[in-house]
Amino acid sequence: AQSVTQLGSHVSVSEGALVLLRCNYSSSVPPYLFWYVQYPNQGLQLLLKYTSAATLVKGINGFEAEFKKSETSFHLTKPSAHMSDAAEYFCAANYGGSQGNLIFGKGTKLSVKP
Amino acid sequence: DTGVSQDPRHKITKRGQNVTFRCDPISEHNRLYWYRQTLGQGPEFLTYFQNEAQLEKSRLLSDRFSAERPKGSFSTLEIQRTEQGDSAMYLCASSLGFNNGETQYFGPGTRLLVL
Repeated sequence: AQSVTQLGSHVSVSEGALVLLRCNYSSSVPPYLFWYVQYPNQGLQLLLKYTSAATLVKGINGFEAEFKKSETSFHLTKPSAHMSDAAEYFCAANYGGSQGNLIFGKGTKLSVKP
Repeated sequence: DTGVSQDPRHKITKRGQNVTFRCDPISEHNRLYWYRQTLGQGPEFLTYFQNEAQLEKSRLLSDRFSAERPKGSFSTLEIQRTEQGDSAMYLCASSLGFNNGETQYFGPGTRLLVL
């Protein structure tokens, strides 16, 4: 079955440190890939998306992600964490077909220590 | 562009009662999705509309669930005879276009608690 796997349900970094959130997809055919952020009691906000135009995708708030087909990965990074980055991050994939729905990973909660 | 809105934001009900949620998508968006998110999980797909046509339903959508999108604008999700297992955040999203790479814009969600 098609799936998205996020390694690490909780990641903690110090302010100013590198943020690395991992995401792997399951298909041999690359899907469309998305990263969303969710703040407490809010909906999901798009950070960035991969649609095959470029393997390094830049998003909002200084985040970027690199698509690696050989590793079936789409990891999210930010060079320097800020306190305001503390939130839950979801990787999602659209594997195509008629319905167009997203398949989400279980999420990674990012904590930022001062 | 006022974004996707959902009403109510919170709903507490007793087991066995019926509840209805509303979603107003971004104007002109032709696709509308409903997802359910339980604690500690990512959103799970429930159903999908293209304009007024309901094109896909997940196996998660039991017979107690029904969704409509009359006239291809707002949508409603009704849960009949609620059960405690229905407690979750219900998210609505909309997108424009016919390409599966289009961005889905999410509303703030309706948090349901069934007592």
